[in-house]
Amino acid sequence: TQLLEQSPQFLSIQEGENLTVYCNSSSVFSSLQWYRQEPGEGPVLLVTVVTGGEVKKLKRLTFQFGDARKDSSLHITAAQPGDTGLYLCAGAVRGGSNYKLTFGKGTLLTVNP
Amino acid sequence: KAGVTQTPRYLIKTRGQQVTLSCSPISGHRSVSWYQQTPGQGLQFLFEYFSETQRNKGNFPGRFSGRQFSNSRSEMNVSTLELGDSALYLCASRRGLDTEAFFGQGTRLTVV
Repeated sequence: TQLLEQSPQFLSIQEGENLTVYCNSSSVFSSLQWYRQEPGEGPVLLVTVVTGGEVKKLKRLTFQFGDARKDSSLHITAAQPGDTGLYLCAGAVRGGSNYKLTFGKGTLLTVNP
Repeated sequence: KAGVTQTPRYLIKTRGQQVTLSCSPISGHRSVSWYQQTPGQGLQFLFEYFSETQRNKGNFPGRFSGRQFSNSRSEMNVSTLELGDSALYLCASRRGLDTEAFFGQGTRLTVV
């Protein structure tokens, strides 16, 4: 069973601050996805990283996949209240012709105005 | 292009009853997965269907079951409901056996 540990579990910051959340595992993943979930809604896919060392940017969000494809980070610059939500990472492992997704428990981010 | 549609959005049931939840995937997507989300446990995988066949199954009791129809729509059934079954049930669709999952808004089930 692949386990994904996300840290921190909770994060409360002021508008304009920077932050980084982490997603770590002892397992190697074929790819890793980041989602944001707002209360009462389903998770929304933000990005997929596939190659070890890969960095992807989505406006103020920067995603990095570790060189060994076991970990990932999400950095937010100048956070805004609209960034508030639960950030989930999910690692994909290929088994035969199928991919299985394993989710972390998430980081609950609150950005205060 | 319509997203993943889950019905109903909210449901209140009594202990011992059964419930059926529905999920319509994105058009052209053949894989449907179900997850249970609770504050303490996070997202827990229930099962995945692809082309009407169950591909993967999580560690849930047999009271939780599902099926997929030829049009890729899926249903999940929970029998003999317990208080601990109260959760947000999420459905995710994938185009095929590739990795990106797209979620519906979920069904909030409350068991009283």
